[in-house]
Amino acid sequence: AQTVTQSQPEMSVQEAETVTLSCTYDTSESNYYLFWYKQPPSRQMILVIRQEAYKQQNATENRFSVNFQKAAKSFSLKISDSQLGDTAMYFCAFMKQSGQKLVFGQGTRLTINP
Amino acid sequence: DVKVTQSSRYLVKRTGEKVFLECVQDMDHENMFWYRQDPGLGLRLIYFSYDVKMKEKGDIPEGYSVSREKKERFSLILESASTNQTSMYLCASTRTGLTGELFFGEGSRLTVL
Repeated sequence: AQTVTQSQPEMSVQEAETVTLSCTYDTSESNYYLFWYKQPPSRQMILVIRQEAYKQQNATENRFSVNFQKAAKSFSLKISDSQLGDTAMYFCAFMKQSGQKLVFGQGTRLTINP
Repeated sequence: DVKVTQSSRYLVKRTGEKVFLECVQDMDHENMFWYRQDPGLGLRLIYFSYDVKMKEKGDIPEGYSVSREKKERFSLILESASTNQTSMYLCASTRTGLTGELFFGEGSRLTVL
């Protein structure tokens, strides 16, 4: 069974700073996908970024980028130039290439302070 | 835009009551999911459905059942609610081939007294 671990329950940074959220996972699969989802306060969860395990290049979406270390089974999210609207719960998730089910981590509550 | 609508944002029920949580999506997605969200535990999959009348157990199906009579609607049923089912319930849907992009509803916060 796959497991996803987020070891930082809460983080807090000042607006415009860069912040990195950590995620590790455990799997015996060789092909899979990793995700970061964002859940703003009282709003729907949305996909932030996706990484295919077979791709060596780290995914980037505007201010959001990942550091994918396949051998170490590590998948961190970097948010550059953080904004107040980035305040949210962030969840790391794993999905086997052959499946549709996502396995989520415990979440990290990120607060961006003005 | 994809819309996933959960029928109730907040519910308060008593122990032993039967509870229905409804979820409707408007994008003709084949796959629908029910997750439970608890602090420190993240999201845990209760059940999912990959087609009408098809269902599969997730990681924590005990105490729950589901129904999918129409493609757009996926219901979660608590046959006899218990206090340890107090939680936030999230419905999600996706089309096969979207590679993990789930579309979530706003959630239903259930309190069982």
